[in-house]
Amino acid sequence: GIQVEQSPPDLILQEGANSTLRCNFSDSVNNLQWFHQNPWGQLINLFYIPSGTKQNGRLSATTVATERYSLLYISSSQTTDSGVYFCAADSGGSNYKLTFGKGTLLTVNP
Amino acid sequence: GAVVSQHPSRVICKSGTSVKIECRSLDFQATTMFWYRQFPKQSLMLMATSNEGSKATYEQGVEKDKFLINHASLTLSTLTVTSAHPEDSSFYICSARWRLAGGMTKNIQYFGAGTRLSVL
Repeated sequence: GIQVEQSPPDLILQEGANSTLRCNFSDSVNNLQWFHQNPWGQLINLFYIPSGTKQNGRLSATTVATERYSLLYISSSQTTDSGVYFCAADSGGSNYKLTFGKGTLLTVNP
Repeated sequence: GAVVSQHPSRVICKSGTSVKIECRSLDFQATTMFWYRQFPKQSLMLMATSNEGSKATYEQGVEKDKFLINHASLTLSTLTVTSAHPEDSSFYICSARWRLAGGMTKNIQYFGAGTRLSVL
């Protein structure tokens, strides 16, 4: 099945800094999603982005499908951005199973 | 829109008992629902895929007799952990794919808030 790798595994920032999280995947994708897992475990959908670029407030994402990677940008980070960011992808098929990367643990310090 | 409700959010039970977790799509019909398991500081691992009206498909290494999945309608799937033991303690999360009118589906998966199971 598809392999999903995220980097960096950990990231520590000062409030106000910008950051870029990367997701590499091993196959062409039918679906690629970015999530933020809050301290209570809830997965928050950030982007559905199998290709192209999207922006939502301080967050934006770009997926270059031909080169098999996606980037999540966080600008002007806030302490509430802390948590684990997951990238997940599926390569299609009958059940469209998402494979998750190991996540990036982001800590934003005041 | 696209709300997935999962209950209970937390359950503590004695070893040997069975626990049922419900996953409901509140404002859309779900073609397919998925059940994941997450251990502390680890990623989500898919346990099984369930399609309405048919048997669930389990991932390799997941005991289907231990983790019973029922998907009786387009809005409800349940996971029952049978004869739970301390090693079954984990965070269980469900997700659902949105079935649009005409049988088409959105590719996006929407996730419930998770259930933290502690088996004593």
